[in-house]
Amino acid sequence: SQQGEEDPQALSIQEGENATMNCSYKTSINNLQWYRQNSGRGLVHLILIRSNEREKHSGRLRVTLDTSKKSSSLLITASRAADTASYFCATGSGAGSYQLTFGKGTKLSVIP
Amino acid sequence: DAGITQSPRHKVTETGTPVTLRCHQTENHRYMYWYRQDPGHGLRLIHYSYGVKDTDKGEVSDGYSVSRSKTEDFLLTLESATSSQTSVYFCAISGFTGPSYNSPLHFGNGTRLTVT
Repeated sequence: SQQGEEDPQALSIQEGENATMNCSYKTSINNLQWYRQNSGRGLVHLILIRSNEREKHSGRLRVTLDTSKKSSSLLITASRAADTASYFCATGSGAGSYQLTFGKGTKLSVIP
Repeated sequence: DAGITQSPRHKVTETGTPVTLRCHQTENHRYMYWYRQDPGHGLRLIHYSYGVKDTDKGEVSDGYSVSRSKTEDFLLTLESATSSQTSVYFCAISGFTGPSYNSPLHFGNGTRLTVT
């Protein structure tokens, strides 16, 4: 069964606006990761946040993690048409478990 | 892209035939994974490998087998293809698992398989 669930399923915004996607999960995790997938391509890793971290930044990306609510959010600031893609969260338990469990994704469309 | 090559990129096959998909990496990474991606289901893990000849089942392993005889190659076999196995198959690799995190995965560009 899926661990992470992204919300919304689809999001359409104008170029220059901010995009926020959310991920909720059910069981304890050691880390949560966000990936991007362009149409017809494999997933690309964006950012990893560990369970003892609350916020991480990478360029125009900001990820937050609230372990008490079992949720994470991905914020893309000043969006560009090139950000159009599907975004997935993935959860992992760390050592002893080699598996990452992916959600169903949020499809982001950035309109020029 | 990390050095991951999936072959073939597209395949059409008939129900009941065996099919083998190949994943080849040049990164010398220990861990290799096979996922399938379907609309409404996201990515689901089929099998994974944590070393040569060391493999284990994932969430949706029924009807699939894997083999890893060399570090660089991870093969996925559909023993007798069914229409429900029509999907996009992704191979992924990672270098290690830390004590408090899973190493990020690097993905191939996928194999689109159609079973008629």
